[in-house]
Amino acid sequence: LAKTTQPISMDSYEGQEVNITCSHNNIATNDYITWYQQFPSQGPRFIIQGYKTKVTNEVASLFIPADRKSSTLSLPRVSLSDTAVYYCLVGPEGQGFSFIFGKGTRLLVKP
Amino acid sequence: NAGVTQTPKFQVLKTGQSMTLQCAQDMNHNSMYWYRQDPGMGLRLIYYSASEGTTDKGEVPNGYNVSRLNKREFSLRLESAAPSQTSVYFCASSKAGGVGEQFFGPGTRLTVL
Repeated sequence: LAKTTQPISMDSYEGQEVNITCSHNNIATNDYITWYQQFPSQGPRFIIQGYKTKVTNEVASLFIPADRKSSTLSLPRVSLSDTAVYYCLVGPEGQGFSFIFGKGTRLLVKP
Repeated sequence: NAGVTQTPKFQVLKTGQSMTLQCAQDMNHNSMYWYRQDPGMGLRLIYYSASEGTTDKGEVPNGYNVSRLNKREFSLRLESAAPSQTSVYFCASSKAGGVGEQFFGPGTRLTVL
């Protein structure tokens, strides 16, 4: 089971870029990195997934260095509505259920 | 498409009572999950079903049972509720297992007195 470590909380201001880093030192060769967002009183929502280098979609970017022992979720120009908890998960894609949500990172975006 | 639906949205039980939480998905997904989330905590996997007809224990299965009734429906039963089971319960589904994209329901807020 790949253990992940994230900051418990982060503060930012509207319009800034936010980078949330997740450490996963014992990531396995066939593991992927997935990020979820959760608003209060809602279930988590998938944001982005990657295996190596950089992945970008309309919501965020995911940066993964060559050693894959960490990853960084980048949210460009955040707004108040990006205030949420962000979870980093590491595990194989399409097989097994060896992943843990953990406590995530509470992001507070201030006006 | 409704996605993942859960019933009920809220429930209050007395210690020792039983109840079943219902979950259904209309995305033709193979895998389904039940999680619980306690205040200020992340999600913990209770049970999962990799495909119709199979179920397996997750991280915190004690005190719960599940039934994968068909491909669409996955229910969670509390036989004798305890205050420690007060939590928000989320059902989720995905095409396959692993860390692929999971789709979550709105949750059931359960209080056991």
